[in-house]
Amino acid sequence: EVQLVQSGAEVKKPGESLKISCKGSGYNFDTYWIAWVRQMPGKGLEWVGIIYPGDSDTSYSPSFQGQVTISADKSISTAYLQWSSLKASDTAIYYCARRYSSGDYPYWGQGTLVTVSS
Amino acid sequence: FMLTQPHSVSESPGKTVTVSCTRSSGSIASNFVQWFRQRPGSSPTTVIYEDNKRPSGVPDRFSGSIDSSSNSASLTISGLQTDDEADYYCHSYDSSNHEVFGGGTRLTVL
Repeated sequence: EVQLVQSGAEVKKPGESLKISCKGSGYNFDTYWIAWVRQMPGKGLEWVGIIYPGDSDTSYSPSFQGQVTISADKSISTAYLQWSSLKASDTAIYYCARRYSSGDYPYWGQGTLVTVSS
Repeated sequence: FMLTQPHSVSESPGKTVTVSCTRSSGSIASNFVQWFRQRPGSSPTTVIYEDNKRPSGVPDRFSGSIDSSSNSASLTISGLQTDDEADYYCHSYDSSNHEVFGGGTRLTVL
């Protein structure tokens, strides 16, 4: 069974750094793209960026380029989303999702709530 | 590019509703469109992929189409049930590997 299990909720202060994770199981982690999707409170889905764990090729939405870093450690089947200096506006639920070549995302993590507040 | 959806739609049980998704630039036919359903407190799930295909478990009351003349995609749900109430998002991508979700449509089944 394919599963994406994300790390738990985080509460951080503005300016702090953070790295959240998404661990895949039940499939060959190296060979499927993993995307990150943001959902701000009461708002819609926003595509953040994507990584191919096999060679760490990444692509970012222009809106998020330079604001976050996506990485992966294929030895432990885990993808990451990190911030070097959080802002209150980063408060959101972040989902990881596995992508098919056609563009579909049939598998999603449960979401990680990130709260940034002073 | 952007994908524009109506903010909300509503219809009565048993009726048919259509949600539109208009692509701002580039051809809607150039890249597949997906539709995701999100219920409160849950992760999104696919109801339509590759423009018009249904995953197993999604009833045939759900259908997807694209219209090149209006550069838009549509999700149609027939025989509406109260359980269909949710937020629906279209999604597509471009040749630069940039992907976009539509703003989402809140479906209310009155």
